[in-house]
Amino acid sequence: DTGVSQDPRHKITKRGQNVTFRCDPISEHNRLYWYRQTLGQGPEFLTYFQNEAQLEKSRLLSDRFSAERPKGSFSTLEIQRTEQGDSAMYLCASSSHAAFPNTEAFFGQGTRLTVV
Amino acid sequence: AQKITQTQPGMFVQEKEAVTLDCTYDTSDQSYGLFWYKQPSSGEMIFLIYQGSYDEQNATEGRYSLNFQKARKSANLVISASQLGDSAMYFCAMREVDTGNQFYFGTGTSLTVIP
Repeated sequence: DTGVSQDPRHKITKRGQNVTFRCDPISEHNRLYWYRQTLGQGPEFLTYFQNEAQLEKSRLLSDRFSAERPKGSFSTLEIQRTEQGDSAMYLCASSSHAAFPNTEAFFGQGTRLTVV
Repeated sequence: AQKITQTQPGMFVQEKEAVTLDCTYDTSDQSYGLFWYKQPSSGEMIFLIYQGSYDEQNATEGRYSLNFQKARKSANLVISASQLGDSAMYFCAMREVDTGNQFYFGTGTSLTVIP
């Protein structure tokens, strides 16, 4: 296992379409995060899983966004009825359960979404 | 209020020189962690260094050191002997024990190393 992987790396979609992104965390990590990053900004928290349980959701996560982590392994982030404002880099990160808060998160390379 | 503030949108440094990237944070928690990440143009966030709120010594990792001033709530990153490969965005982040598991990020500093 070489790190967090995200698929696809790039996605172009038409406004109104649904898109789904996948994240495979580091295998022994039980914590998984989704972040969104727009140009010139730092990553903004979207949601957090501990194992299969979604424990936190940001107010940024509108009803059009849904995330799952079945069986506590990979995770998917779905955006329904995409809007141009959804264009961003979507980053996934994972971390282990050890000694909070000093456990760093390991990030994937992100999925860049462009809504046209 | 912003949890993490990075006031330097862009910085330039001569190759082999040292550079300090500023970060201030806002928290009322006693237990928290401070992190620095590097984001090259490829997009991946690379963990650099960590400082815990109870750590008495400044963290160091190779050419990276963290100048932690708790009373001032600052956690500046110092990169010594800059290399061309250090050119990237740098983000300061914080994680609090009492307010959940998320990482709060600043807006980042773009560092350019000049040959």
